[in-house]
This record gives sequence, C-alpha cells and structure tokens, in this order.
Amino acid sequence: EAQVTQNPRYLITVTGKKLTVTCSQNMNHEYMSWYRQDPGLGLRQIYYSMNVEVTDKGDVPEGYKVSRKEKRNFPLILESPSPNQTSLYFCASSSGRNRQYFGPGTRLTVL
Amino acid sequence: GQSLEQPSEVTAVEGAIVQINCTYQTSGFYGLSWYQQHDGGAPTFLSYNALDGLEETGRFSSFLSRSDSYGYLLLQELQMKDSASYFCAVVSGTYKYIFGTGTRLKVLA
Repeated sequence: EAQVTQNPRYLITVTGKKLTVTCSQNMNHEYMSWYRQDPGLGLRQIYYSMNVEVTDKGDVPEGYKVSRKEKRNFPLILESPSPNQTSLYFCASSSGRNRQYFGPGTRLTVL
Repeated sequence: GQSLEQPSEVTAVEGAIVQINCTYQTSGFYGLSWYQQHDGGAPTFLSYNALDGLEETGRFSSFLSRSDSYGYLLLQELQMKDSASYFCAVVSGTYKYIFGTGTRLKVLA
C-alpha cells in the first residue's frame, strides 16, 4: 500500500531535549516536505527536499533541521525544542508539484 | 509578501452546491491545489490546476484564473461526509508551498 509513515504519532517532551521525528515514504517520490499546523494558521511549510541531499527552507525553518540521505526518508530534527514548537506536524511526499501525500501527523507537546 | 485568502467558514445543506474561493498573492506561481482535512485527520488531495480553466473530478471541480490570481473549489451534491476543512495551496517552481488558513465547511441535514 502506498503510504507516508511518521513516528512517533504523539510525543511529550521537555524544553531543550533533542528529538527526531521520522518520515518515510514507499512511493519512490523525489519531493518531500515537513509542515506544522497550528489553529487558525493553516499548514506552514518548514523544510522541503527536491531529491537526495537537496533541501531548502520553507516559511518557518527556525529551530528545525532536516536531512535527506536516502530517497525514502526525511527526518525532522529539533535540536533544542521550545514550547512554541508545540504543534501538529505533517510530512508529505509527491512525484511532482501536483499531488502531495500526507503522513498521519505527529502531535508534539514541548513543556 | 505571499498570502492566500479564503473564507473561514461556509455552511450549506445536503444536496446543495457550494463554492469556496481562494485569492492569492505569491511570487513564482506554478499551480494551485486543494486539500480536504477532516477533524483529527491528515490533509488529502482533491485537485490541482496549473493552467486556466476548470478541472472536474466527480462531485468536485476546481477553477483557476492566473490573470486574476484567483481560484475556487466547487462541491456539488453535498453530503454530510463533506463536512471538513478545505485548504487552497500555491506551489512555486522550487516546490515551496504556501497554504491558506482553511475554510471550514458545515453540511446541514
């Protein structure tokens, strides 16, 4: 089954404790993105990748890092999380600029 | 700056037709997409327009006018399951996405 998976689905952590949210897709897509979703603000793109080793900043990249060492994986790294990074995070992949496939989401709470 | 505007909420009855408008102001426009998101769920793709005109997929249609920086999503024969949030999104040539803040559609019996 074609899908995008994210782990963990839920995470509660404390300020400053490094964490990684994994994202994997099995559709051989070149393009992958990370978004955060906050009430009233819609989805905001954090980082995107157009292929292996090619990444670029979206609208809200501060406080986040990404890497794309393999085509299928695109982890999101928060090196020193802060409470304003409490949010719902989505990973997405696509083969072009038309249809994105979204993962199920990761709800992160930073205390 | 870059921005998209769409109504925050729309209400309609079952069986009706509803149109959700989206106006955008962005640089490097490549295409306009629409996504549906039910409460607690992930966004799912509905349609994509790169060229002017109407795209139809079943009960849903999407329209784009690049000269007016405007698009809309048309939902026909509304069903209760269509109650959800709908997002328009602009993608640039470099794969940068800007999403609108979403339109909450309530379908009444």
